[in-house]
Amino acid sequence: AQRVTQPEKLLSVFKGAPVELKCNYSYSGSPELFWYVQYSRQRLQLLLRHISRESIKGFTADLNKGETSFHLKKPFAQEEDSAMYYCALKARAAGNKLTFGGGTRVLVKP
Amino acid sequence: DSGVTQTPKHLITATGQRVTLRCSPRSGDLSVYWYQQSLDQGLQFLIHYYNGEERAKGNILERFSAQQFPDLHSELNLSSLELGDSALYFCASSETGSTDTQYFGPGTRLTVL
Repeated sequence: AQRVTQPEKLLSVFKGAPVELKCNYSYSGSPELFWYVQYSRQRLQLLLRHISRESIKGFTADLNKGETSFHLKKPFAQEEDSAMYYCALKARAAGNKLTFGGGTRVLVKP
Repeated sequence: DSGVTQTPKHLITATGQRVTLRCSPRSGDLSVYWYQQSLDQGLQFLIHYYNGEERAKGNILERFSAQQFPDLHSELNLSSLELGDSALYFCASSETGSTDTQYFGPGTRLTVL
């Protein structure tokens, strides 16, 4: 079975500081990894998917298969980045469902 | 706006009751997924439908059922409600259900009193 772990429940940083959200996964097959963001209990919005290898709102994430990680990084945090961030794994063998981590709340202080 | 719509936005009901949550996928999307978000369990996958057929089940209770209609909208039926069923229920849709991205609706907040 697949599992996603986000070890930090809360990350508090100052505006302009770098921020890194950790995500580790376990899955025996070839995973697809995603980062979703949720502002104030609104809908989840896709932030990044690893196969796109693009940068959205200054965030990047690299899939490290050796360390089974997909950490999310941003060099200079902004106040509008305050939100809940969820790492998710899609396992095609499991019917394409998304398995989510527990989420990390990011608070960017002015 | 992702295009996925869900009704109602909020639902308050009593234990033992039955409710129906509705989801309309993005135009052209054939797959619909249901997820439950609660404080203690986090985000949990419930069920996946593709073009009217059930494709996968997750942690869905027997008191819960879903279906996808010919016009591709989906309904999640929750019966014999318990206090612990209070949660935010999200619907997501995707084009096919394989490698494409899932886009989420705004959710229905269910409160069971």
